[in-house]
Amino acid sequence: KNQVEQSPQSLIILEGKNCTLQCNYTVSPFSNLRWYKQDTGRGPVSLTIMTFSENTKSNGRYTATLDADTKQSSLHITASQLSDSASYICVVGKAAGNKLTFGGGTRVLVKP
Amino acid sequence: GAVVSQHPSWVICKSGTSVKIECRSLDFQATTMFWYRQFPKQSLMLMATSNEGSKATYEQGVEKDKFLINHASLTLSTLTVTSAHPEDSSFYICSASRGMRADTQYFGPGTRLTVL
Repeated sequence: KNQVEQSPQSLIILEGKNCTLQCNYTVSPFSNLRWYKQDTGRGPVSLTIMTFSENTKSNGRYTATLDADTKQSSLHITASQLSDSASYICVVGKAAGNKLTFGGGTRVLVKP
Repeated sequence: GAVVSQHPSWVICKSGTSVKIECRSLDFQATTMFWYRQFPKQSLMLMATSNEGSKATYEQGVEKDKFLINHASLTLSTLTVTSAHPEDSSFYICSASRGMRADTQYFGPGTRLTVL
């Protein structure tokens, strides 16, 4: 069964600190992996997308890594800001077919 | 580029009425549009996939007669929740893809539906 598991489910961090979110997947055959940020009551916004041959991708203070061998990805947030408070969703695309598999998301709360 | 809008952003309706939600791709032609539903503290759940000019493909467990999807043009898809009930209250998100592939989709801002 194609699955995407994210951890932790939620975390609280202090403003200015770093944090790392994890994503493990079993989707096969793999096409790409995206990290999305979803603010409360809004649609998801793409942060990064990585294909099989890429192992890191940055977007400002967000850095995603991908290990296609172990089927793991991480999203690192550097120097967190209050506006980083949101849900972060890991989404894996399958090479065959036309569907995405969504992780359950990690809810991040940045406190001053 | 690749902006997707939804209208309305929120709607409150009485039980038994029908509600239509519009999804538009503003600056590109969307061959494929997707409709998702998201309950509080849960991730997005795909409801259906629609290609312009053809019938939508619904996911298992989604009632096609209750959730009517029309993709009449390359920039507009509509979702109509018929005979809405309180359990239909949810956050509905559409996305649009330039091509046929799901991994090139861009998400709309969502529509919050509350059925009283």
